[in-house]
Amino acid sequence: SSELTQDPAVSVALGQTVRITCQGDSLRTFYANWYQQKPGQAPELVIYGKTNRPSGIPDRFSGSTSGNTASLTITGTHAEDEADYYCSSRDSSGNHVVFGGGTKLTVL
Amino acid sequence: QVQLVQSGAEVKQPGSSVKVSCKASGGTFNTYTINWVRQAPGQGLEWMGGVIPIFGTANYAQMFQGRVTITADKSTSTAYMELNYLRSEDTAVYYCATESGPYYYDGHGYYYFDYWGQGTLVTVSS
Repeated sequence: SSELTQDPAVSVALGQTVRITCQGDSLRTFYANWYQQKPGQAPELVIYGKTNRPSGIPDRFSGSTSGNTASLTITGTHAEDEADYYCSSRDSSGNHVVFGGGTKLTVL
Repeated sequence: QVQLVQSGAEVKQPGSSVKVSCKASGGTFNTYTINWVRQAPGQGLEWMGGVIPIFGTANYAQMFQGRVTITADKSTSTAYMELNYLRSEDTAVYYCATESGPYYYDGHGYYYFDYWGQGTLVTVSS
């Protein structure tokens, strides 16, 4: 399968914890990566591999995988975390990149 | 720290072609794959394909097969994406991004896009 499915929108109260999920058969073989995109900006990698964070990404961002579902968790959400979040991985063959449809995170 | 600088915005007629460039600096051009991702207005990210500069081989998403050509010039550390037979639905911001991988951990493989260009807006309009 070459599809990754995300909820279109999620909201969270300031300072609370939010989980954004991504489902797809290929996640049983390939870890998902997570990208944050703010309006007018290029996407930015926030989680890669099992739960790695690039330099400069706050430790309130974490990732996990269980079966065919990958999750991005933000613990103690900040106002500046309001953005679109995309998961990405490979298709089951490993030859092609696939993106989820994106989740718009609103911080209340 | 890799930096990717893309060429400027383009306005094209339907049926024509566009070629967007992506110049890399700060890293070793031959050691990573350069990918192209596009984003139509208000829409999500869509992978188009990628090229491995050291080999010159490209890999394309099925929906762009036959219409897109991705190349890399090692002498100038620049990658190119050319899209032919443009239609209004191709109006989008086009991004280049470096890809690291594959890596393997705990029974899973992974690749990731670690550096992105600033994006190039291509508008297709008559």
